[in-house]
Amino acid sequence: DQQVKQNSPSLSVQEGRISILNCDYTNSMFDYFLWYKKYPAEGPTFLISISSIKDKNEDGRFTVFLNKSAKHLSLHIVPSQPGDSAVYFCAASGAGGGTSYGKLTFGQGTILTVHP
Amino acid sequence: KAGVTQTPRYLIKTRGQQVTLSCSPISGHRSVSWYQQTPGQGLQFLFEYFSETQRNKGNFPGRFSGRQFSNSRSEMNVSTLELGDSALYLCASSWGGGPNTEAFFGQGTRLTVV
Repeated sequence: DQQVKQNSPSLSVQEGRISILNCDYTNSMFDYFLWYKKYPAEGPTFLISISSIKDKNEDGRFTVFLNKSAKHLSLHIVPSQPGDSAVYFCAASGAGGGTSYGKLTFGQGTILTVHP
Repeated sequence: KAGVTQTPRYLIKTRGQQVTLSCSPISGHRSVSWYQQTPGQGLQFLFEYFSETQRNKGNFPGRFSGRQFSNSRSEMNVSTLELGDSALYLCASSWGGGPNTEAFFGQGTRLTVV
């Protein structure tokens, strides 16, 4: 039972354009969402997060949007740069009580390629 | 401020052996979580420790265990290794491990079981 889903395995965009990565979740108890960037054989790097009480959070070129009614979030990267090429993971936490301590539930990831 | 440090970076073990991996969290962080990443299953939560106590556990067999020391450093142990245990093992630290906190990951330990 995959509670966090990233339905696009890959995304290719041109440098300077917008990259939009999508994520859906099924567990309504999730109340905090994070995006991580990962290179092969390295640990994920935290990018940006959003609480369920917000619908948007910005940090530089990165913006995360949350639609609670649709159980959907997206990460926008503007403008995209070749150095953004990596695997992007969506993660969720807060599934209730002790089962939420220290636990992130991850999507399967989306490979972003930004072409010069 | 130093990040999360995992040692060793790479390990090769034989089936049936056991292995211990180490994680030093960011200074001041008291929560340490462990994850297994494989191509087929993605990133899966193993367990979480806070103040030397395991507070949460994922769906892994008892061969996977861990502990945390008073300085918040953590170790995880896998006994009776199987080929399917080959994976990237990641450690993440956070201030309190609560549901609304960011977790920061180490570089991981690549375990290969032959």
